[in-house]
Amino acid sequence: QKEVEQNSGPLSVPEGAIASLNCTYSDRGSQSFFWYRQYSGKSPELIMFIYSNGDKEDGRFTAQLNKASQYVSLLIRDSQPSDSATYLCAVSGGTYKYIFGTGTRLKVLA
Amino acid sequence: EAQVTQNPRYLITVTGKKLTVTCSQNMNHEYMSWYRQDPGLGLRQIYYSMNVEVTDKGDVPEGYKVSRKEKRNFPLILESPSPNQTSLYFCASSTRTGSSNQPQHFGDGTRLSIL
Repeated sequence: QKEVEQNSGPLSVPEGAIASLNCTYSDRGSQSFFWYRQYSGKSPELIMFIYSNGDKEDGRFTAQLNKASQYVSLLIRDSQPSDSATYLCAVSGGTYKYIFGTGTRLKVLA
Repeated sequence: EAQVTQNPRYLITVTGKKLTVTCSQNMNHEYMSWYRQDPGLGLRQIYYSMNVEVTDKGDVPEGYKVSRKEKRNFPLILESPSPNQTSLYFCASSTRTGSSNQPQHFGDGTRLSIL
């Protein structure tokens, strides 16, 4: 069973701090990696995607991928209360199948 | 505007009464998928389709049917709904560039309650 693992949290950080969210995956053939933000009862919203080892930055968000260690992380700089949500990690391999982790709940404290 | 449209958004119905949740996308995506989301279990894939007339089971297909007669539409059918199918359902679509799967676009969700 190919799996994607995330700590369910909640991860609590003060406003303005860096939030670090981690995800590990079991399928070494995975090629595409995604981070989604989901507010309660709403649909997942794409935050970042990354295909190559290393870092990818977009505004306050940085995705980090390490294929050798099979983990992908999301850093949120200058965290805001509006960032409080559940963050879903998704992984996709050579087929069209996408596998989601169960998500990490982030709470940014004002 | 690029979007995935699901209908209905909310539905309360009774056990055994056949229902269909529609999903339509306007991005010409080949890949479409249905997920259900339950507390503590995350997003679980029900069925997916890689193109017209090509569908396959996901992780939790029991009690559901799908069809893909047109590229833009991917309806989810519950022939005889049961209370354990009460859930929040999402339709998603995506495409591929080279060998890399692009991000999935999600519909707004359908909250289904089976009494």
